Amino acid sequence: GAVVSQHPSWVICKSGTSVKIECRSLDFQATTMFWYRQFPKQSLMLMATSNEGSKATYEQGVEKDKFLINHASLTLSTLTVTSAHPEDSSFYICSADRGGETQYFGPGTRLLVL
Amino acid sequence: DAKTTQPPSMDCAEGRAANLPCNHSTISGNEYVYWYRQIHSQGPQYIIHGLKNNETNEMASLIITEDRKSSTLILPHATLRDTAVYYCIAGGGGATNKLIFGTGTLLAVQP
Repeated sequence: GAVVSQHPSWVICKSGTSVKIECRSLDFQATTMFWYRQFPKQSLMLMATSNEGSKATYEQGVEKDKFLINHASLTLSTLTVTSAHPEDSSFYICSADRGGETQYFGPGTRLLVL
Repeated sequence: DAKTTQPPSMDCAEGRAANLPCNHSTISGNEYVYWYRQIHSQGPQYIIHGLKNNETNEMASLIITEDRKSSTLILPHATLRDTAVYYCIAGGGGATNKLIFGTGTLLAVQP
């Protein structure tokens, strides 16, 4: 149990385009999901907290207009990187909160912006 | 969230116990101690968590000191597949349940 999936697993896009990443909790309902970003040889950095049916809460320094988060159901949250640029190339990882104590992480999405 | 301090790297011989320390001296009363690990290019994998008492599951044991200022993750019989970055996180237990990752410990299991 406690499986979280992400789609796509990797994506290459041109500078200026938008990319949508999906995060799904497959066998449980998650009222809260989290989005992280990880650059090479660095730790995970929390970007935002996503609650079902409400606006996401962004961490300081994260541009909410650039990283659009939608949490439309208890099993799906999406992150859209708008007008992506090469500096947005990174490993994006989501997690889902199961029952308030433990978060389970997805496998990650590697984004390369050319 | 409380900041944690971990050694940047550790080695362990295959088949031996791996003991990974973590300091979290500013942990608050309702914050848990979580351990996750990340194998290269994958999402973090949940290992174990605890509040006050020691915990054990099929993967590992978690020993938390009585004052809760430090903890140790024990992998009883390390294998090569346990080579990963191990993150100790003090957090959750509140309204947001945010987990803030530190730099972790790179555990290298040697054959």
